[in-house]
Amino acid sequence: KAGVTQTPRYLIKTRGQQVTLSCSPISGHRSVSWYQQTPGQGLQFLFEYFSETQRNKGNFPGRFSGRQFSNSRSEMNVSTLELGDSALYLCASSPQPYRVGYQETQYFGPGTRLLVL
Amino acid sequence: KQEVTQIPAALSVPEGENLVLNCSFTDSAIYNLQWFRQDPGKGLTSLLLIQSSQREQTSGRLNASLDKSSGRSTLYIAASQPGDSATYLCAVRPGQAGTALIFGKGTTLSVSS
Repeated sequence: KAGVTQTPRYLIKTRGQQVTLSCSPISGHRSVSWYQQTPGQGLQFLFEYFSETQRNKGNFPGRFSGRQFSNSRSEMNVSTLELGDSALYLCASSPQPYRVGYQETQYFGPGTRLLVL
Repeated sequence: KQEVTQIPAALSVPEGENLVLNCSFTDSAIYNLQWFRQDPGKGLTSLLLIQSSQREQTSGRLNASLDKSSGRSTLYIAASQPGDSATYLCAVRPGQAGTALIFGKGTTLSVSS
């Protein structure tokens, strides 16, 4: 079974531009979460989608947005890029969103490394 | 606000040594705790998941313990190998349904042959 795939793997943008990152979950997985990883802040949760609906959102500005399609693929968009947005963006999928008693772990993709100049 | 701390930030050991990685969290109201491994250029791989009602989990040479009341977890790696070199991340699932994993910043392990 193929793992979580993320495209592109590397991206260079300049300040003020916008960027769209894509994530394809494992086949059959319907929940997708996005995380930002930086050396200073570590891994921080961005948002979670299930059945095309955002279920949970982290503490990030409105410049960060996402969506999920009917085939469970997800995209995240960052508008008006800032230097501090340079990071590794990780996508994770699971069959269902987390709930009390749920045992399944999340499966992470290799990430998209974004560099903002 | 839940915070997760991992000590040490980096660790270098010779091959064959047994080692312990530490993780502490500030709020004991968690549903579970996970240890992940991250290799350069790759995503995270889940190593062990401990439910809040459990004290430890084992997988091969790895053993993870959880002391929820004291807010601590340890990952024990037996007979370390160069292939164990990676960054190890600890993450907790807070005690509220629907909330996301909260990660520590990781311990970068280097095992020399």
